[in-house]
Amino acid sequence: GENVEQHPSTLSVQEGDSAVIKCTYSDSASNYFPWYKQELGKRPQLIIDIRSNVGEKKDQRIAVTLNKTAKHFSLHITETQPEDSAVYFCAASRDYGGSQGNLIFGKGTKLSVKP
Amino acid sequence: DTAVSQTPKYLVTQMGNDKSIKCEQNLGHDTMYWYKQDSKKFLKIMFSYNNKELIINETVPNRFSPKSPDKAHLNLHINSLELGDSAVYFCASSPGSYNSPLHFGNGTRLTVT
Repeated sequence: GENVEQHPSTLSVQEGDSAVIKCTYSDSASNYFPWYKQELGKRPQLIIDIRSNVGEKKDQRIAVTLNKTAKHFSLHITETQPEDSAVYFCAASRDYGGSQGNLIFGKGTKLSVKP
Repeated sequence: DTAVSQTPKYLVTQMGNDKSIKCEQNLGHDTMYWYKQDSKKFLKIMFSYNNKELIINETVPNRFSPKSPDKAHLNLHINSLELGDSAVYFCASSPGSYNSPLHFGNGTRLTVT
């Protein structure tokens, strides 16, 4: 089955700096890669996702890149702010004849943005 | 208007007891899930249901049983609770179609003493 590795497990940056979180996946058939943000005591919420037919996607300060050959994808946050502090999860899933398979999550990255 | 709601928010109980967590979604989604988040924050899928049929059942103890009275509800029953069951349990839903994201509930923090 699918296995998703996520690095680093913790990341501390100064406000205004960029943050990068990297994930690798094992199942070459995986074709959907969402990123979730979980603030302390709250539910995971989708922040951005990418499908296997594109290599990069941007949404304001957040971008995700996908390298299908190497089977890795990354989250980039620019101009970080204290409210970006949270745990970030990457995930991967594949399509089964039009139905979505399980989302398999990485182990999370705790991002701390210091003012 | 909460899209995925689960109750209770907190559940404290003793070993050996049986408990249930309820989940409801008003998004009209076809697929619902239960995820377990342990103390290290690892999110692991337990079950998923599509149109009242269990479609993926990960290797969880048979003390855990999902029950879906209709497409909008997926409840989780746990028998003979153990200390290791302490975790946050998240219900989620998705359209179930190709490449669709999950919408999570707010979680139920289960503490077994």
